[in-house]
Amino acid sequence: AQSVTQLGSHVSVSEGALVLLRCNYSSSVPPYLFWYVQYPNQGLQLLLKYTSAATLVKGINGFEAEFKKSETSFHLTKPSAHMSDAAEYFCAVSGTDTGNQFYFGTGTSLTVIP
Amino acid sequence: EAQVTQNPRYLITVTGKKLTVTCSQNMNHEYMSWYRQDPGLGLRQIYYSMNVEVTDKGDVPEGYKVSRKEKRNFPLILESPSPNQTSLYFCASTPLRGARSPLHFGNGTRLTVT
Repeated sequence: AQSVTQLGSHVSVSEGALVLLRCNYSSSVPPYLFWYVQYPNQGLQLLLKYTSAATLVKGINGFEAEFKKSETSFHLTKPSAHMSDAAEYFCAVSGTDTGNQFYFGTGTSLTVIP
Repeated sequence: EAQVTQNPRYLITVTGKKLTVTCSQNMNHEYMSWYRQDPGLGLRQIYYSMNVEVTDKGDVPEGYKVSRKEKRNFPLILESPSPNQTSLYFCASTPLRGARSPLHFGNGTRLTVT
């Protein structure tokens, strides 16, 4: 069965510091992977996606993620955190292994300290 | 503007009083889905629909019903709501392309059942 694990339900970084949010998946075949961001009182917005093209994926707002098959990981990074990055982040997986359904991690709440 | 529209945004009701949360998308997407979001549990799928008149259970379907009579609409029905259905609900849609395409989310419906 497909699953997604996000390590760290809460992450705090200082403004200007590196942001690293972790996501690991389990799949017997290469999946499609997504990162979403949720700002307070809003729906989920797509940050970036991996669909078997380039392994380093760039998204909106300066975020990027690297697909590492050997580590079954798709960690989200941003070189320099801004106050506006404070939000909830969700990793999601889909593909033939999931019957083309989407499965989400439990989310990571990012706090940016001024 | 391409969007998924949910109504209402906020709903407070009492145990046993039937309610419907509406969802409509204007992108001609085949696939639509309902999720509930609870703290520490991430997003869990309630029901999904691959096309008109085709619906199927997700991971947490108990206590919910759906229908898909038109491509654009996918209402969520709670016949007899209970307090454990207090949650944040999201409707989402995507073209049916083997789950390569990301989900588009509505802004959510916060339901409180007393």
